Amino acid sequence: GIQVEQSPPDLILQEGANSTLRCNFSDSVNNLQWFHQNPWGQLINLFYIPSGTKQNGRLSATTVATERYSLLYISSSQTTDSGVYFCAVARSGTASKLTFGTGTRLQVTL
Amino acid sequence: NAGVTQTPKFRILKIGQSMTLQCTQDMNHNYMYWYRQDPGMGLKLIYYSVGAGITDKGEVPNGYNVSRSTTEDFPLRLELAAPSQTSVYFCASGDPGQNTEAFFGQGTRLTVV
Repeated sequence: GIQVEQSPPDLILQEGANSTLRCNFSDSVNNLQWFHQNPWGQLINLFYIPSGTKQNGRLSATTVATERYSLLYISSSQTTDSGVYFCAVARSGTASKLTFGTGTRLQVTL
Repeated sequence: NAGVTQTPKFRILKIGQSMTLQCTQDMNHNYMYWYRQDPGMGLKLIYYSVGAGITDKGEVPNGYNVSRSTTEDFPLRLELAAPSQTSVYFCASGDPGQNTEAFFGQGTRLTVV
């Protein structure tokens, strides 16, 4: 099956700092999503981005499908950004069954 | 729109007991999925359905059963619960034919003792 690798595994930032999270995947995909799992365990949709660039407030994401990676940018981080960030991908013709990476655990401190 | 709703939110089962995790969605999505998340890990697919009456196995289906009698509902059945099934279970729905994203429920935290 498709492999999904996320880096870094852990990240500690001071409030206000910027960060870049990376997701590498091993095959062509037609679905790529970024999620934030908050400390209460809830999965929050951030981006649906199989290709291209999107922005939503302080967050933006870029997927370069031909090179099989995606980046999630967090600017001016806040303590509420803490949690685990997951990248999940699906190949074409697979009923959009998502394969998840193991996540990047982010802690934002004051 | 409530989105994807799961019940219960928490449950403790004894070894050998059975239970059904409920999942319903109000977005008229054809596709529904069950995932499990073990501590410190990403989610793994248990079962999925591409429409009413159609289900198929995912990566980790052993010990589980599903049914899909309506578009809205996709219950997950655990028979003979085992400690290895202690996990957080997430239900999701989506419509890949419309190039839309998958949406997840709030999860069910299950402990088997």
